[in-house]
Amino acid sequence: DGGITQSPKYLFRKEGQNVTLSCEQNLNHDAMYWYRQDPGQGLRLIYYSQIVNDFQKGDIAEGYSVSREKKESFPLTVTSAQKNPTAFYLCASSIDRGNSNQPQHFGDGTRLSIL
Amino acid sequence: ELKVEQNPLFLSMQEGKNYTIYCNYSTTSDRLYWYRQDPGKSLESLFVLLSNGAVKQEGRLMASLDTKARLSTLHITAAVHDLSATYFCAADFGNEKLTFGTGTRLTIIP
Repeated sequence: DGGITQSPKYLFRKEGQNVTLSCEQNLNHDAMYWYRQDPGQGLRLIYYSQIVNDFQKGDIAEGYSVSREKKESFPLTVTSAQKNPTAFYLCASSIDRGNSNQPQHFGDGTRLSIL
Repeated sequence: ELKVEQNPLFLSMQEGKNYTIYCNYSTTSDRLYWYRQDPGKSLESLFVLLSNGAVKQEGRLMASLDTKARLSTLHITAAVHDLSATYFCAADFGNEKLTFGTGTRLTIIP
């Protein structure tokens, strides 16, 4: 079955540590996205990528970094510069951002906490 | 500013009753999406609305879009407990990304 796989499901970060969240999709989608969700809140866009080797900052990119070396993969690194990383992180993909009428598909999320 | 506002933010309904969730957006949008999120889970796509006057229905849920009023509604008919969840609308403002509303947390009371 096609879908989006996020790992790990739970992640703990120590002070000063960088951690990387994995997102892999086998839907052959061009566009991929990373969102952050705080408890009881909506989704805020961190980074997005339309094509391989290209990505753009979203609304809250500070303290995060991404790469898009393969179409299937869009890992997110939460750096030590992100002082309040505790949140639920959701990865999504869509066919493209052109004239597609398809919704974004979401992974199951990674819950990140500070130790 | 590109904004999407939902109301109410919290809604408790009795089983069997009808209610509507409203989604207002700040400027012209090409597409409007509705998603459902269960506690601790990911988002599930419910509806994609593409044009003025669009109406889509799935079971007890019906979504509509009025682009002139910049308003989408999600109507719940004869609510059942299984519909308890948080519902998000999201607008495509043509800037390569979606803008999400803050969500409506719906609780169905027996």
